[in-house]
Amino acid sequence: DVKVTQSSRYLVKRTGEKVFLECVQDMDHENMFWYRQDPGLGLRLIYFSYDVKMKEKGDIPEGYSVSREKKERFSLILESASTNQTSMYLCASRITAGWEKLFFGSGTQLSVL
Amino acid sequence: AQKVTQAQTEISVVEKEDVTLDCVYETRDTTYYLFWYKQPPSGELVFLIRRNSFDEQNEISGRYSWNFQKSTSSFNFTITASQVVDSAVYFCALSEALGFQKLVFGTGTRLLVSP
Repeated sequence: DVKVTQSSRYLVKRTGEKVFLECVQDMDHENMFWYRQDPGLGLRLIYFSYDVKMKEKGDIPEGYSVSREKKERFSLILESASTNQTSMYLCASRITAGWEKLFFGSGTQLSVL
Repeated sequence: AQKVTQAQTEISVVEKEDVTLDCVYETRDTTYYLFWYKQPPSGELVFLIRRNSFDEQNEISGRYSWNFQKSTSSFNFTITASQVVDSAVYFCALSEALGFQKLVFGTGTRLLVSP
């Protein structure tokens, strides 16, 4: 089975800190995604990557950046964390095409104080 | 632009009741893909079903069934004889067939099944 691993289940950071959220998948998937999940807003796409070193902005990229230096790893970076970035962050991957299902990690609950 | 609407925020039923979760979508594409995912209390989203825009055949899998109607842009999900283990948040999602094929989700419907 495909495994998508997010490095932390819970994370507490201070306002202004630089935060790295790491995601690793073990099935050679080309596409990887970062979503944030907030009550009443569902899952909103922050960034996605369709291949190594390739990235595209999603619907809410402001305040975030990403890095994909290796195929299996997709990092989400909060350059200067703010309280409105407190959320559940979900990483997902899929083989390549829009028809393919996404495999999700178990999420990182980030609290910015 | 794509959009997925799940108007039901939360539904509460008693075990063995049937329940339908609604999903309405918007897209300008003629080819697209629709999905349902389940998020149990543990948090990890799990894939349930996918449909492409050319396949309007309804599908049944055990107690689950899906009704896809292009005429109303809907892709509804029915659970027959619900069980406590069905309690979860259910998300409907839409993917383009061209371009970057990003997946857009609805806001989810929380289903609570009580014994």
